[in-house]
Amino acid sequence: DTGVSQNPRHKITKRGQNVTFRCDPISEHNRLYWYRQTLGQGPEFLTYFQNEAQLEKSRLLSDRFSAERPKGSFSTLEIQRTEQGDSAMYLCASSLRGTSGVSGANVLTFGAGSRLTVL
Amino acid sequence: AQSVTQLDSQVPVFEEAPVELRCNYSSSVSVYLFWYVQYPNQGLQLLLKYLSGSTLVKGINGFEAEFNKSQTSFHLRKPSVHISDTAEYFCAVSVWYGNEKLTFGTGTRLTIIP
Repeated sequence: DTGVSQNPRHKITKRGQNVTFRCDPISEHNRLYWYRQTLGQGPEFLTYFQNEAQLEKSRLLSDRFSAERPKGSFSTLEIQRTEQGDSAMYLCASSLRGTSGVSGANVLTFGAGSRLTVL
Repeated sequence: AQSVTQLDSQVPVFEEAPVELRCNYSSSVSVYLFWYVQYPNQGLQLLLKYLSGSTLVKGINGFEAEFNKSQTSFHLRKPSVHISDTAEYFCAVSVWYGNEKLTFGTGTRLTIIP
């Protein structure tokens, strides 16, 4: 297993354009998370899936953001009409619920991230 | 809602000296605690975690942390640092019986001085 894979690693786009990021989780993991990390800050939760179901979305996820996980495997995060404030590192993580045998003790494995720069 | 405070944004330490990175949390319910490390241009890697049991937990690369419930702290320590420990360190919490998402602190940048 090669871990969590994210593509592209870097994306530079002009304001107003749409961008899409892809995340391939560890194959046996049933949960997938998206986080956003801006300079000097810790990662902020955006949304997560259990299999193909999107179970929670943060208020940070505006209407311009949409995430999918159609077959319960890979996931995409699309940002429409990008703004300069969207510039950040977008991190994907996956986990297997119940790995540690206690509810809530979810150990996430993170990918290397996709860095977005909006000009 | 839970929150994490990492008061030290930057910590410079001489090589082979000990280091402590501070983490305090706030939550109305019981929590699990984690430390992650982020090397430049890389994702986050789990250093160690506290789920239950012994309050002193050991992780990778010689790091350890102690859970102190009365002080709501989970400070990270290493007795002797190496140049390769230069990185950003994040403390995180998740709540018992919650949706298992992590809430992160703002991070501490550890710089090792040769």
